[in-house]
Amino acid sequence: GAGVSQTPSNKVTEKGKYVELRCDPISGHTALYWYRQSLGQGPEFLIYFQGTGAADDSGLPNDRFFAVRPEGSVSTLKIQRTERGDSAVYLCASSFGGPPYEQYFGPGTRLTVT
Amino acid sequence: RKEVEQDPGPFNVPEGATVAFNCTYSNSASQSFFWYRQDCRKEPKLLMSVYSSGNEDGRFTAQLNRASQYISLLIRDSKLSDSATYLCVVNGLYNFNKFYFGSGTKLNVKP
Repeated sequence: GAGVSQTPSNKVTEKGKYVELRCDPISGHTALYWYRQSLGQGPEFLIYFQGTGAADDSGLPNDRFFAVRPEGSVSTLKIQRTERGDSAVYLCASSFGGPPYEQYFGPGTRLTVT
Repeated sequence: RKEVEQDPGPFNVPEGATVAFNCTYSNSASQSFFWYRQDCRKEPKLLMSVYSSGNEDGRFTAQLNRASQYISLLIRDSKLSDSATYLCVVNGLYNFNKFYFGSGTKLNVKP
């Protein structure tokens, strides 16, 4: 079946601009996660949705970052007033939301802020 | 202290070798443990979950040591295609759906 998809695959934007990154999870997966990965590091947790609600957004670095999942499927990560330090690969993953909590990742969006 | 720590490597081994990686975690209440594999500029892919009793999948064996708070991955008969970065993943204390990734251990299998 179809895996997790993310669009766009690459995004180049200027400092100060607004960007939206989209994630379409595996059908039937109720849990959706956003991570950020910088070069040489493992993925860093940003936010987790169970259904439509953000169950844990403790990883969002500041209030410029926001994510929604209005119908419990597709999610959008929104970044306002982008900064050069936001440049990274943004990964989305989904799972069934319960044990064994196995997550399946999308190919990621490579964000470059110039 | 990081929640999950791994030796970054690289581990350079010849084909056919056996190689083992360890990963330590800080939260004694963690319940779920995984190894993921990540190829260069690709997304992480689930390699295997790690169960308390230890588990094996073909050439790969994972072990969990709760007392010492570490998990291990053993790869037997290494193949060139095993070259990748191996990420250790552990879930959190208050939210079992919050996962912490190590920085990864790089493996290079050489002919």
